[in-house]
Amino acid sequence: AQTVTQSQPEMSVQEAETVTLSCTYDTSESDYYLFWYKQPPSRQMILVIRQEAYKQQNATENRFSVNFQKAAKSFSLKISDSQLGDAAMYFCAYRSVQGGSEKLVFGKGTKLTVNP
Amino acid sequence: DAGVTQSPTHLIKTRGQQVTLRCSPKSGHDTVSWYQQALGQGPQFIFQYYEEEERQRGNFPDRFSGHQFPNYSSELNVNALLLGDSALYLCASSLASGIYTGELFFGEGSRLTVL
Repeated sequence: AQTVTQSQPEMSVQEAETVTLSCTYDTSESDYYLFWYKQPPSRQMILVIRQEAYKQQNATENRFSVNFQKAAKSFSLKISDSQLGDAAMYFCAYRSVQGGSEKLVFGKGTKLTVNP
Repeated sequence: DAGVTQSPTHLIKTRGQQVTLRCSPKSGHDTVSWYQQALGQGPQFIFQYYEEEERQRGNFPDRFSGHQFPNYSSELNVNALLLGDSALYLCASSLASGIYTGELFFGEGSRLTVL
C-alpha cells in the first residue's frame, strides 16, 4: 500500500519570504500523480499544484512550485513571496493510475503560519 | 456555478445512533468520493460512487454505507456510531471521463461529534 509522509507538523514564514514544505512517499508503482492541497480554516480543500510522475519537469503554478525527485520519492512544495492568505494546512497526496483508481492517499499535513 | 455543497455543517450524535450526511457535487460532475478527516490527520478515503454504484472502497467497516442518486448527489450513512467516528467528513466530486486531470473539488465538510 502506498504511504505519504509529511515530517513537518508545523512551519512558519515571514510575509514575502520563501518556504519549502517536505513530503516523501512510498510506492512500487512507476506511474502515478502527486498533489499538494491547501485547507484553510474554512475547511475546504483546494488543489494547489499537481505533478504527473512520468513528467520530469517540475510543475509550477504562479508562486507555487515543486521539487519532484522520483528516485528519492520526494515531492516538496516551495511557496515564494509568501502572503498572509497562504496560511493554512497543506496536505501532500498520492494517486495511483492503476485500475482506474481515483483514491487519494494523504499525508498528515503541515500547518503553515505566515507572520506579518 | 455552485461548487460542492454538504449538509449539515455540524451535528452531534450519541454512541449507537445512526447518521446521514448529504453531498451535492459541482455542476457537471458525475462522481462523488467521501473522505473521513480525524482531528490532526489527513483525509482518509471511505468510498467512491459513480453511476449510482460504489466503484471503490477504502478500509472502512460495513457500518459505513452510501448511495448516489440519479442527479449525482450522494449520501453517506454511518450506523452504530462509535466515539472514534467523530471527524470531519469531506465530500469530493470529479468528472469520470476522458483524461483524468487529478483534480477533486471538495466541499467544506460535515463536522460529526459522537458523545
